[in-house]
Amino acid sequence: ETGVTQSPTHLIKTRGQQVTLRCSSQSGHNTVSWYQQALGQGPQFIFQYYREEENGRGNFPPRFSGLQFPNYSSELNVNALELDDSALYLCASSLPATDRYTFGSGTRLTVV
Amino acid sequence: AQSVTQPDIHITVSEGASLELRCNYSYGATPYLFWYVQSPGQGLQLLLKYFSGDTLVQGIKGFEAEFKRSQSSFNLRKPSVHWSDAAEYFCAVGPSGSARQLTFGSGTQLTVLP
Repeated sequence: ETGVTQSPTHLIKTRGQQVTLRCSSQSGHNTVSWYQQALGQGPQFIFQYYREEENGRGNFPPRFSGLQFPNYSSELNVNALELDDSALYLCASSLPATDRYTFGSGTRLTVV
Repeated sequence: AQSVTQPDIHITVSEGASLELRCNYSYGATPYLFWYVQSPGQGLQLLLKYFSGDTLVQGIKGFEAEFKRSQSSFNLRKPSVHWSDAAEYFCAVGPSGSARQLTFGSGTQLTVLP
């Protein structure tokens, strides 16, 4: 399915830097979740936002933070990057009161 | 804590052959179960989901899955595989009533031989 756009598609950062990943959802999709997918692994839930507030969080440290905006876009921010943060980051959004998430194609982050 | 196990890291089948991908879950309540497919460089596409009712669920692309509560399994099947089915397949479980906070298995990579 189309409708969830993530940017950038790839980026390389240095250990200790900060990064912002962006996700643009379809109109009306007021629930957005972020997942981290390390190489060879399944996605791991980072957090979810609903109506611009964090609505659930997985086992990730506070240096992973997010924002959701009224225009259905959202951001994932990671501070003090570590080598293990290298992964594919996926954004998924859904309409209210549905269980059908649409995933973006992801941002491949490499930390060197 | 919820968990998902996909015992087969890699499966190879010939085109036209049948396919079964295994998924076992651990969850304390009634789970919501999902199968997703991921092609290289792509996000996840939902194949099918089970919430309640009929334990045999039909999905897109000719896939089906059967929920077996007694075995804590939700195996994915397809009677005849096409070359375009080559991809990675993920089983996931979510809390009853919501698809948020999905827990995914580590995936099964499917190779299809001509």
